[in-house]
Amino acid sequence: DAGITQSPRHKVTETGTPVTLRCHQTENHRYMYWYRQDPGHGLRLIHYSYGVKDTDKGEVSDGYSVSRSKTEDFLLTLESATSSQTSVYFCAISESAGQNYGYTFGSGTRLTVV
Amino acid sequence: RKEVEQDPGPFNVPEGATVAFNCTYSNSASQSFFWYRQDCRKEPKLLMSVYSSGNEDGRFTAQLNRASQYISLLIRDSKLSDSATYLCVVILTGRRALTFGSGTRLQVQP
Repeated sequence: DAGITQSPRHKVTETGTPVTLRCHQTENHRYMYWYRQDPGHGLRLIHYSYGVKDTDKGEVSDGYSVSRSKTEDFLLTLESATSSQTSVYFCAISESAGQNYGYTFGSGTRLTVV
Repeated sequence: RKEVEQDPGPFNVPEGATVAFNCTYSNSASQSFFWYRQDCRKEPKLLMSVYSSGNEDGRFTAQLNRASQYISLLIRDSKLSDSATYLCVVILTGRRALTFGSGTRLQVQP
């Protein structure tokens, strides 16, 4: 399996607190992604990165920020968590964004905001 | 309108049955197509890419109809282990990320 790990695996936090999720890869892939998955919505793209310090917004980026200071790490930050951000967060990596390249997903982080 | 639409199911079928899922996409500029499989509380995993000429991988056959903008997945001789959610996924031209349908749940029963 591709080397991609997410931490933490589970987290419960209070409304209004900052939260940072980490995605770490050992594959030296250029592209990294953060998705959230909610019932009835499938996976929706939050942010992605196409290189160190190069990031762009996805379809549900409001309330989230990201950083990528090293090829292997992509951080997702909720500056002030809200209950609507309760979700399962998946990180993914890809060697290329083009067609027919496999995207490998991490095991997910289950975040509950109370 | 969602960019990728699927029937959520669930599809309940007996072992050995043949089952087909369809998916429609709204953007004709979509350039790449995939089926992913997701087991309960697990991450999505690539099942197969979908090519215009159609392609087969064992019991699984995928078809793409660009004119009608739909993708299909056919599973023959269903196994209990096929029970999962099947996600239709596209890459839109000019985008650098996967766009997912909400998934179709399959339950294969003994």
